[in-house]
Amino acid sequence: GQQVMQIPQYQHVQEGEDFTTYCNSSTTLSNIQWYKQRPGGHPVFLIQLVKSGEVKKQKRLTFQFGEAKKNSSLHITATQTTDVGTYFCAGNYGGSQGNLIFGKGTKLSVKP
Amino acid sequence: EAGVAQSPRYKIIEKRQSVAFWCNPISGHATLYWYQQILGQGPKLLIQFQNNGVVDDSQLPKDRFSAERLKGVDSTLKIQPAKLEDSAVYLCASRHTGGNVYGYTFGSGTRLTVV
Repeated sequence: GQQVMQIPQYQHVQEGEDFTTYCNSSTTLSNIQWYKQRPGGHPVFLIQLVKSGEVKKQKRLTFQFGEAKKNSSLHITATQTTDVGTYFCAGNYGGSQGNLIFGKGTKLSVKP
Repeated sequence: EAGVAQSPRYKIIEKRQSVAFWCNPISGHATLYWYQQILGQGPKLLIQFQNNGVVDDSQLPKDRFSAERLKGVDSTLKIQPAKLEDSAVYLCASRHTGGNVYGYTFGSGTRLTVV
């Protein structure tokens, strides 16, 4: 069935270091969304990528969608303690009426 | 705008008991979802509503789970009878259909513990 794989499961970094999480699907996605969940909180929408090869930036966060629309990545430059949380990618296979299939997430911890 | 409201925040029940969760989505959001998030995992879709109709309930364990959205606004999710493996956070999310708003807005969730 449709499945979204996400790696790594955990990432521990020193404040100021960069961080990247990767997402992969075996089948082509309509679009992909990224969410952040703080400890004890709920997922919060960050961004949606739709086009093949799309790159979007939000301050220190860079999101990429692969050319084949099967993989995506989130890169954080110079992490801060406020970046702590779990980052989820969520793939949509069904267009505007589709629902999201979430990856297992990458839990980021940042050491000050 | 007000967010997605869920209640209760926490619930502890014994196995084989029943439980119900309530969700009030953002006003005007036609699409509503219930997700189950087990500790350490990503949210898993249980059911998707478009207004008061079910779009996808393929992953809802229908022998024990039921959900309704009778007037196309509020929704309830029920578990009867509960099992130990139902312990999880139940998240409700809503989404505006159309326009440029694509992301789901999640509620704070209901943390269910089955003992």
